[in-house]
Amino acid sequence: GAVVSQHPSWVICKSGTSVKIECRSLDFQATTMFWYRQFPKQSLMLMATSNEGSKATYEQGVEKDKFLINHASLTLSTLTVTSAHPEDSSFYICSASLRALYEQYFGPGTRLTVT
Amino acid sequence: KNEVEQSPQNLTAQEGEFITINCSYSVGISALHWLQQHPGGGIVSLFMLSSGKKKHGRLIATINIQEKHSSLHITASHPRDSAVYICAGLETSGSRLTFGEGTQLTVNP
Repeated sequence: GAVVSQHPSWVICKSGTSVKIECRSLDFQATTMFWYRQFPKQSLMLMATSNEGSKATYEQGVEKDKFLINHASLTLSTLTVTSAHPEDSSFYICSASLRALYEQYFGPGTRLTVT
Repeated sequence: KNEVEQSPQNLTAQEGEFITINCSYSVGISALHWLQQHPGGGIVSLFMLSSGKKKHGRLIATINIQEKHSSLHITASHPRDSAVYICAGLETSGSRLTFGEGTQLTVNP
């Protein structure tokens, strides 16, 4: 199956700093990428959908100025958590698909801890 | 509002047993993903299906469109199958997924 990678797999940062998470589709071109966050023992929550070359579509309640998403190429999307707070600590997962309505392939996730 | 419901929430089995996890979904969902999440957190996409049946190794997924119901079966279960299994419905209106709550499967040796 298609492979999606994320980097880093875990990161610890201090309050007020920014952290960038990368999501790459390794063996296919992903026109659409998705960013999710997951709290312990809860299901995934969609944060935003990004299409290559256009602005991301954010879900209700997700601050677009805090969670910056860039999908500049067909194989790379980045999520930047700006001015991180401890409540931003979570597991962030990306997925990628060839196009809308196609199967999504998930990355291994990034565990963010903000101290 | 699109809904996806899974059962059971928790399932404990002995190695070798046949396992079934069920998923019901509402109108507005055109296909289902079955996902596996191990304790480390990474998610693996097992199947995506919109009709019929798919098989991969010891895993079988079926879907009944009329009844809006899907099942994931694991034959000859093994302790390494222990994980959370999640069904997620693909919304007809777009590409968003609606997730079930997940089933925590524990297979004991």
